[in-house]
Amino acid sequence: ETGVTQSPTHLIKTRGQQVTLRCSSQSGHNTVSWYQQALGQGPQFIFQYYREEENGRGNFPPRFSGLQFPNYSSELNVNALELDDSALYLCASSLDAWGYTFGSGTRLTVV
Amino acid sequence: GNSVTQMEGPVTLSEEAFLTINCTYTATGYPSLFWYVQYPGEGLQLLLKATKADDKGSNKGFEATYRKETTSFHLEKGSVQVSDSAVYFCAVRHRSGGGADGLTFGKGTHLIIQP
Repeated sequence: ETGVTQSPTHLIKTRGQQVTLRCSSQSGHNTVSWYQQALGQGPQFIFQYYREEENGRGNFPPRFSGLQFPNYSSELNVNALELDDSALYLCASSLDAWGYTFGSGTRLTVV
Repeated sequence: GNSVTQMEGPVTLSEEAFLTINCTYTATGYPSLFWYVQYPGEGLQLLLKATKADDKGSNKGFEATYRKETTSFHLEKGSVQVSDSAVYFCAVRHRSGGGADGLTFGKGTHLIIQP
């Protein structure tokens, strides 16, 4: 069984730009959640999707948005990038929101 | 909302020493508790979990017991190895109604094991 894969692994963007990060869930998993991990900090919950619907959200502004597709893969979109958005973005998938499996993350640098 | 407090690191130990990493949490109801480990340049790996009071999670020689009375979930290992060097995160999850809350993580404890 394949694990969670994220792309790209690294990305550099300019302040004000938009970015899309992608995540392929582990086979058989129907739930995906996204986290932001700033350097030296624990991951912070952004939002979660269950069967293509957002069913939980953390304390992040609306410029952070997402999608989940019928094959349960997912995207995280961030508009109007700010310098503080520089972080490791982690995707985690699970079956019915238990037993999360994390990907290796996308390192986003905003300059 | 939920919150997790971990002992700050780095924690430096010699090989074969006894390890304790303290974790306390704040959450309503009956949360599930987790320990994740992160090796350099990698994502998070689930180390162990406990879903109800007095449960003991264990894996790879690590153990943690869900103590509801003290709201704690301390990680222990009897004899650490150099390969245990990593960052350890305590996390809590509370499922509310038909929806789901995400995991709330502590800030992480960097463990360094010296040969």
